[in-house]
Amino acid sequence: SQKIEQNSEALNIQEGKTATLTCNYTNYSPAYLQWYRQDPGRGPVFLLLIRENEKEKRKERLKVTFDTTLKQSLFHITASQPADSATYLCALPGAGSYQLTFGKGTKLSVIP
Amino acid sequence: DAGITQSPRYKITETGRQVTLMCHQTWSHSYMFWYRQDLGHGLRLIYYSAAADITDKGEVPDGYVVSRSKTENFPLTLESATRSQTSVYFCASSEPGTSVGYEQYFGPGTRLTVT
Repeated sequence: SQKIEQNSEALNIQEGKTATLTCNYTNYSPAYLQWYRQDPGRGPVFLLLIRENEKEKRKERLKVTFDTTLKQSLFHITASQPADSATYLCALPGAGSYQLTFGKGTKLSVIP
Repeated sequence: DAGITQSPRYKITETGRQVTLMCHQTWSHSYMFWYRQDLGHGLRLIYYSAAADITDKGEVPDGYVVSRSKTENFPLTLESATRSQTSVYFCASSEPGTSVGYEQYFGPGTRLTVT
């Protein structure tokens, strides 16, 4: 069955450094992968989508890579700020149309 | 305001009671989804709907019922609540376009406690 792993449950990083989060998947050949941010007590918010034919995508301080050979996506936040502290979820296409299957998330804490 | 809303935001109920969680979106998105989020499990899909009067099961549908008589509303009913249904419930919507992959827009969630 499909499986998504976000390797770290929690990641602490110093302000100004680059945070790198990992999403690995198995038994999958997804056409795309998405990343979401979730703040405590709130619903997830969409950040970025990367398609299988795209190696890298950027949005402001965010960068996502997608390696279909390694079955891995890396999510980078450069020049991290305390306001970037949140849980970040990766999501891949689910079993049915337009469904998503989510990883359990990585809680990022940016320390001033 | 435009967007996706859920009500109630917090609910405490007793085992065996019927509970309905409401979801309303103003974008006229075709797809709507219900998830539950639990520690250790992450977000899991309960039911989804592709359009009015079209619904289908997700990963964890047992004990839940949905309906979608109007595009903008997608209520989730727990017919006889159990303690294992204590969770945070999120509604989401999405509108397919012409390219691959469509982001989902989430509501603020309903925290349900079953005693």
